Amino acid sequence: EAGVAQSPRYKIIEKRQSVAFWCNPISGHATLYWYQQILGQGPKLLIQFQNNGVVDDSQLPKDRFSAERLKGVDSTLKIQPAKLEDSAVYLCASSLRASGGAFSNEQFFGPGTRLTVL
Amino acid sequence: AQTVTQSQPEMSVQEAETVTLSCTYDTSESDYYLFWYKQPPSRQMILVIRQEAYKQQNATENRFSVNFQKAAKSFSLKISDSQLGDAAMYFCAYRSALGGGSNYKLTFGKGTLLTVNP
Repeated sequence: EAGVAQSPRYKIIEKRQSVAFWCNPISGHATLYWYQQILGQGPKLLIQFQNNGVVDDSQLPKDRFSAERLKGVDSTLKIQPAKLEDSAVYLCASSLRASGGAFSNEQFFGPGTRLTVL
Repeated sequence: AQTVTQSQPEMSVQEAETVTLSCTYDTSESDYYLFWYKQPPSRQMILVIRQEAYKQQNATENRFSVNFQKAAKSFSLKISDSQLGDAAMYFCAYRSALGGGSNYKLTFGKGTLLTVNP
């Protein structure tokens, strides 16, 4: 079974530029999560999708970040314009569904995209 | 809001020895799940072990076991017979068991960097 795919693996941009990250979850997984992991910290949830609907985007800086999950499969996270403090690893995760116990809700993570903003 | 605290930024262990990583959490909920994730330099988050709060028995997965103290809100990870491949960042994470999609996000601690010395 293929895991969660993310691209690119690395991205370096200048501040005020825009950038987009792509995520393809495990086939059949209804729930998709984007986490931001700043160096020295644990991942923090940015947005959670259930199929193509947003469940939680309370931590997403909506003035510069946007995300979509068209057709309930793959997802794109965009930053426009980028700031220095956006330098981080962006992790995508998926789970079979959001409800249920720990086993059915287990989140599988992709390899992440390391963003450096200069 | 729930918080997860890992008080050991770094730990080291000799190969074949045993090491314990600490984690405490704060929550007002009675039903929840706790996880330990491993993040090697490749950045891929890998689930190591999970614990359901309603279970009194501590979870065990091969060389990995937990000491779950619900009253003390403590959830430590013990790694026995440490191997070089165990070297990684380890994150403790919390997930609510309450209904509602946004409750299923993972709340992570800041992590503990484990070094295994040959």
